[in-house]
Amino acid sequence: EVQLVQSGAEVKKPGESLKISCKGSGYSFTSYWIGWVRQMPGKGLEWMGIIYPGDSDTRYSPSFQGQVTISADKSISTAYLQWSSLKASDTAMYYCARPLHPSAGGAFDIWGQGTMVTVSS
Amino acid sequence: DIQMTQSPSSLSASVGDRVTITCQASQDISNYLNWYQQKPGKAPKLLIYDASNLETGVPSRFSGSGSGTDFTFTISSLQPEDIATYYCQQYDNLPITFGPGTKVDIK
Repeated sequence: EVQLVQSGAEVKKPGESLKISCKGSGYSFTSYWIGWVRQMPGKGLEWMGIIYPGDSDTRYSPSFQGQVTISADKSISTAYLQWSSLKASDTAMYYCARPLHPSAGGAFDIWGQGTMVTVSS
Repeated sequence: DIQMTQSPSSLSASVGDRVTITCQASQDISNYLNWYQQKPGKAPKLLIYDASNLETGVPSRFSGSGSGTDFTFTISSLQPEDIATYYCQQYDNLPITFGPGTKVDIK
């Protein structure tokens, strides 16, 4: 079964760092891009960026460039989303997703279960 | 960035009704348009890809059409389990962008 399994919910203070993960299984992890999507409480979906684990080619949305870092470790089939200094406005659900076809854009047919990040003093 | 708009932002319909949602792109995106369903507390689910292709396992009451800048998503006969928010998404250009969503509930 093709699936993406994300790390658990996090509660952090402003200024702290954080790295959340997304582990792929059931398919060739290095052959498909992995994207990250933010959903703030009660709001819509925002595409943050995407990485190709095969060579770590990474593209960011201008809205998130410089705010987060997307990375991947192909040896353990895991993609990451990290912050160096969290803000209260980073409070959101974060999803990783894999496209239907091995292309940079495309339709995301496989989604992780989501990681809730809460940033509060 | 390509801006996506959806209308209506919400709708209420009866079981068995035909429901139509429209999505408009700020520029020509050919058929690089997908539709997702999201239920509360769940990850989005792909329903339609490339404007009109039904994802495997998705009921045939869901359909999509359009190309260029104007797209339509239809539920031919609304069912109670279709209560959700529906999003369009373009992938013609990076950054990928989503519409603001349409919340569908039962009258």
